[in-house]
Amino acid sequence: AQSVTQLDSHVSVSEGTPVLLRCNYSSSYSPSLFWYVQHPNKGLQLLLKYTSAATLVKGINGFEAEFKKSETSFHLTKPSAHMSDAAEYFCVVTKANNNNDMRFGAGTRLTVKP
Amino acid sequence: DAMVIQNPRYQVTQFGKPVTLSCSQTLNHNVMYWYQQKSSQAPKLLFHYYDKDFNNEADTPDNFQSRRPNTSFCFLDIRSPGLGDAAMYLCATSSRRYSNQPQHFGDGTRLSIL
Repeated sequence: AQSVTQLDSHVSVSEGTPVLLRCNYSSSYSPSLFWYVQHPNKGLQLLLKYTSAATLVKGINGFEAEFKKSETSFHLTKPSAHMSDAAEYFCVVTKANNNNDMRFGAGTRLTVKP
Repeated sequence: DAMVIQNPRYQVTQFGKPVTLSCSQTLNHNVMYWYQQKSSQAPKLLFHYYDKDFNNEADTPDNFQSRRPNTSFCFLDIRSPGLGDAAMYLCATSSRRYSNQPQHFGDGTRLSIL
């Protein structure tokens, strides 16, 4: 079975400083991994996805994530936080080629201070 | 822009009074999903349609039902809402089932129960 653990329920950064949101996964099979962002009272927006191609994945809005099989991690980073990045972030794992069974992490709330 | 549209964005109903939530998509995707998201929690899959093939999650209460009259539309019916059903309901679509394609989400309907 697949699962993800988001290591921080809340991360606070200052505007212009780097962002690191941590995600570890567990999977018996080759996984597909996704990061979604959810702004207040909005749906989930796909930031990026890993599906067994390049291990460093670039997404929208300057975010990127690196798939590290040896560490079973898929951490999300951004070099410089913007106020508009304040939101809830979800790491999601699926078994490769089974996008019906999305296993969500508990979410990390990102706060950006001026 | 191709998208997933949920109506209404906010819905208030009375305890025990049936309610229907609507989702439409212009992506022409085969798969449509309904999720329930309670406050500060990850989304929980209720069921999905692959074309007209309905797939219920094992722990989805009987109180929740769905209809998909055509490719573009999908409805969530709650027969007798209880206070515990107050939540955000998210609709999502995917181009293919059993693939590594991501799901695309609407902005959700926030349901309140009086």
